[in-house]
Amino acid sequence: AQRVTQPEKLLSVFKGAPVELKCNYSYSGSPELFWYVQYSRQRLQLLLRHISRESIKGFTADLNKGETSFHLKKPFAQEEDSAMYYCALSGGATNKLIFGTGTLLAVQP
Amino acid sequence: DAGVTQSPTHLIKTRGQHVTLRCSPISGHKSVSWYQQVLGQGPQFIFQYYEKEERGRGNFPDRFSARQFPNYSSELNVNALLLGDSALYLCASSLDPRQAGYGYTFGSGTRLTVV
Repeated sequence: AQRVTQPEKLLSVFKGAPVELKCNYSYSGSPELFWYVQYSRQRLQLLLRHISRESIKGFTADLNKGETSFHLKKPFAQEEDSAMYYCALSGGATNKLIFGTGTLLAVQP
Repeated sequence: DAGVTQSPTHLIKTRGQHVTLRCSPISGHKSVSWYQQVLGQGPQFIFQYYEKEERGRGNFPDRFSARQFPNYSSELNVNALLLGDSALYLCASSLDPRQAGYGYTFGSGTRLTVV
């Protein structure tokens, strides 16, 4: 079964602390993995994709095929990082996205 | 560019009624996908359309249907509404299906409440 699991509904950290949002996936084949973010009162938007191997707003994510994980990390959290984060995978002919349930990141001052 | 626009933004319907939701993609985008987001869950894929043809369908009952028009705008129709259809309905456009996922631009959604 194709599935994305985000075990934490809420992650609360203090400003300047490291952040790791967990994501595990199940997929038969070679999916593409993404992190989407939704800031308060804004649209869902792409944060990063595993193929790009880039750092966006200080966030990075490494695909670990052995552990089927794609955790999102940032060494020093900022208050403006507070948002809902969704891990997602795509594959197949339509490249439809399969989303996890999301993790709400709350960065305290 | 106005981005992906969805209408209406909010809607309240009674059980058994039908509803039509509308989406206008970004200019130049020919593919539109629909997602349902129930409170507390991630978005779930409903349909994908490209060049006015259905390219994919998620695990939704036949009460859900959609179409895409020559100008690439799209409608999502839901018949015989159930309380469980209450959700945020998101539209996402992309240049073509190959760019779905990373090439998506999402709309703000239509909040449907069924009472």
